[in-house]
Amino acid sequence: GNSVTQMEGPVTLSEEAFLTINCTYTATGYPSLFWYVQYPGEGLQLLLKATKADDKGSNKGFEATYRKETTSFHLEKGSVQVSDSAVYFCALKSLGAGSYQLTFGKGTKLSVIP
Amino acid sequence: KAGVTQTPRYLIKTRGQQVTLSCSPISGHRSVSWYQQTPGQGLQFLFEYFSETQRNKGNFPGRFSGRQFSNSRSEMNVSTLELGDSALYLCASSGPSGDTGELFFGEGSRLTVL
Repeated sequence: GNSVTQMEGPVTLSEEAFLTINCTYTATGYPSLFWYVQYPGEGLQLLLKATKADDKGSNKGFEATYRKETTSFHLEKGSVQVSDSAVYFCALKSLGAGSYQLTFGKGTKLSVIP
Repeated sequence: KAGVTQTPRYLIKTRGQQVTLSCSPISGHRSVSWYQQTPGQGLQFLFEYFSETQRNKGNFPGRFSGRQFSNSRSEMNVSTLELGDSALYLCASSGPSGDTGELFFGEGSRLTVL
């Protein structure tokens, strides 16, 4: 079956530090890959996505590249801000599943301190 | 455009009781999914409804059920509540934007079972 593994948290960084959150996946076929973010007290919201190999998703300074050869979709940001403090979830959707079911990683909590 | 609305936001029940949670998707969205979020297990897929039909189901006991109405609003029900059912229940809708897997989440219903 499908699975997503992301690095254990929590991660604490100083403002303006470089962020990497690792994500690897196991899936049949060619899944679409997503990063969702959950701010305190809120539901999840889509941060970025990539639907095929070598695609790069980007939004709000965050980037992730779909690497089929390493089955990875690592999230990066060059300079984090306090407002980036949240829980980040890597997720996949298998193409052809015919329904909107995502498989999520367990989440990585990021805390950015001034 | 209104987002996904979940009610109630917070509720407290005792073991053995049942609970019904409601979700109103974004206007025009026909797919509604439900997820359970707990600190230990992360986000786990419960079920997905499309045009009043359950299209996909996760690995949860039969105490968890749902339905969707003709206006796409959805409800989920948990009967004979157990302590382990304490969780944040998230509803997500997905619309006519193609089979990309992007989900729009509500803020969740936080259930506490005493």
